[in-house]
Amino acid sequence: DTGVSQNPRHKITKRGQNVTFRCDPISEHNRLYWYRQTLGQGPEFLTYFQNEAQLEKSRLLSDRFSAERPKGSFSTLEIQRTEQGDSAMYLCASSFRRGSSYNEQFFGPGTRLTVL
Amino acid sequence: AQTVTQSQPEMSVQEAETVTLSCTYDTSESDYYLFWYKQPPSRQMILVIRQEAYKQQNATENRFSVNFQKAAKSFSLKISDSQLGDAAMYFCAYRGNAGGTSYGKLTFGQGTILTVHP
Repeated sequence: DTGVSQNPRHKITKRGQNVTFRCDPISEHNRLYWYRQTLGQGPEFLTYFQNEAQLEKSRLLSDRFSAERPKGSFSTLEIQRTEQGDSAMYLCASSFRRGSSYNEQFFGPGTRLTVL
Repeated sequence: AQTVTQSQPEMSVQEAETVTLSCTYDTSESDYYLFWYKQPPSRQMILVIRQEAYKQQNATENRFSVNFQKAAKSFSLKISDSQLGDAAMYFCAYRGNAGGTSYGKLTFGQGTILTVHP
């Protein structure tokens, strides 16, 4: 296993188009997180899943954003009717939660979205 | 809501010297973790060091150590014997550990760009 992978690595789209990103977490990691990072800023939390259940969503996640993790493995993040303000790096992270023990989040390389 | 503040947008250090990056945070929770993450240019974020709030002893990982002042809500990172490979954006991050609104997710600061001069 080589870590968290994300595809595509780069996406350029026109305003108003829909885009979908995929994240493949580390095998057997039951928690998966999505963050958004704009240039020169720290990542901001968007949402996370434990197995297939979406447990929390940020207020940043407008109704144009939807995330799924249908079988508790990979996850997709879809943005509908993209806007220029959606241009950012979208980061995925995964961790393994067992009981109350500490669980490190491992990050993927990110998908850089540019909306023209 | 929890907030994390890094007041140094940029720092620089000479190779082999020591540098300290600052971080302050605000929370009403008593049980939490604090982290420093490193994000090299065009590469993925990796964990540098973590600190459990209930531990009074400051965490150390090789050349990296922290100064955790819980009452002051301060969490600085010291890099000793700086190397060219330490050049990156460094993020301070917070995570709650006992339920509540921050459980599971990380709250990041704005980041500090560290430049290492040969």
